[in-house]
Amino acid sequence: NAGVTQTPKFRILKIGQSMTLQCTQDMNHNYMYWYRQDPGMGLKLIYYSVGAGITDKGEVPNGYNVSRSTTEDFPLRLELAAPSQTSVYFCASSRRSTMNTEAFFGQGTRLTVV
Amino acid sequence: AQTVTQSQPEMSVQEAETVTLSCTYDTSESDYYLFWYKQPPSRQMILVIRQEAYKQQNATENRFSVNFQKAAKSFSLKISDSQLGDAAMYFCAYRSPMGAQKLVFGQGTRLTINP
Repeated sequence: NAGVTQTPKFRILKIGQSMTLQCTQDMNHNYMYWYRQDPGMGLKLIYYSVGAGITDKGEVPNGYNVSRSTTEDFPLRLELAAPSQTSVYFCASSRRSTMNTEAFFGQGTRLTVV
Repeated sequence: AQTVTQSQPEMSVQEAETVTLSCTYDTSESDYYLFWYKQPPSRQMILVIRQEAYKQQNATENRFSVNFQKAAKSFSLKISDSQLGDAAMYFCAYRSPMGAQKLVFGQGTRLTINP
């Protein structure tokens, strides 16, 4: 059972370059999320999606874009990378429910912008 | 907006002893969910325990238990019989029952286990 899969696991970017972080889940979850974790800090929400074709900004969306063309995939695009985007990025998904459902996380992508 | 605060950046405990990690939160909602996640050096986020605000009984999962004080907006994690494998970052998180089930995380507590 793959769960949430993120690629790549590590990446070094030069200032001004662009890249896409890939995220896919095989649990048929409606909800998907992108978080970033700065050193010694908690996770902060960048963008989220409640279903295919629907995305919305989180707490720290500047410098990022997302799309959700399918239920399974939720890529995160970085345009014009800046040193402030050096962080660990986590993709997560959860099932839409009124109960106390669990969020499942990918293994993270460590991104360094130099 | 909800906020979560973990006031202990680092904690250490001797192996086999008990340690308590603190978490407070701020919300105007009466119903919500609280979580503790463990993040070992592998970076994987692992759910340790969860609590529903409408339940008065504190959640327990083997050696892990919580002390949920709703009026005080406090949600501490107790780890009994600490093991070397418990060494990790621990994050407290809040989730509203409404909307897109987004998690709000605290800053984390780094737990060291001394052999």
